[in-house]
Amino acid sequence: GENVEQHPSTLSVQEGDSAVIKCTYSDSASNYFPWYKQELGKRPQLIIDIRSNVGEKKDQRIAVTLNKTAKHFSLHITETQPEDSAVYFCAASRGNTGFQKLVFGTGTRLLVSP
Amino acid sequence: GAGVSQTPSNKVTEKGKYVELRCDPISGHTALYWYRQSLGQGPEFLIYFQGTGAADDSGLPNDRFFAVRPEGSVSTLKIQRTERGDSAVYLCASSRSAGGTGELFFGEGSRLTVL
Repeated sequence: GENVEQHPSTLSVQEGDSAVIKCTYSDSASNYFPWYKQELGKRPQLIIDIRSNVGEKKDQRIAVTLNKTAKHFSLHITETQPEDSAVYFCAASRGNTGFQKLVFGTGTRLLVSP
Repeated sequence: GAGVSQTPSNKVTEKGKYVELRCDPISGHTALYWYRQSLGQGPEFLIYFQGTGAADDSGLPNDRFFAVRPEGSVSTLKIQRTERGDSAVYLCASSRSAGGTGELFFGEGSRLTVL
């Protein structure tokens, strides 16, 4: 089955710096890669996703890149703000099987210091 | 409701007891998922419903775990003879359709503690 590895496990940056979180996956049939943000004690919330027919996607300060050949994808956050502090999870699934059996990474705790 | 609703938010039980966790998905969402999140880990897939039927229950850890969705809306996750290792946050999610393009909307979770 699919295995998703994520690193780093923790990331501390100064406000205004960029943050990069990287994930690798094992199943070459995976074609859908979402990123979720989870604040302490709260629900995971989708912040951006990318499908395998696209190499990069941007949404304001957030971008995701996908390298299908290498089977890795990354989340980039620019101009970080204290409210970006949270745990970020990457995930992968074979979306075209009819449902999203997401396999999640182990998470990255991002701390943005003012 | 506006979002996925889960009850109870917290449940403390003793080893060997029976537990039910309830999920009320977003109105109109046909797909419903249960995930389990242990401390410091990402959510792990348990079971998926499309309508009333369990389309994939391959993530259920053993036969002590069972889930139903009798009317295609509210779902109940049932855990028999609970063990300390069952302690985790149980997350429910729903999406508009079964297709692979639908965003999953998660609930706040039910935190289960087995003493």
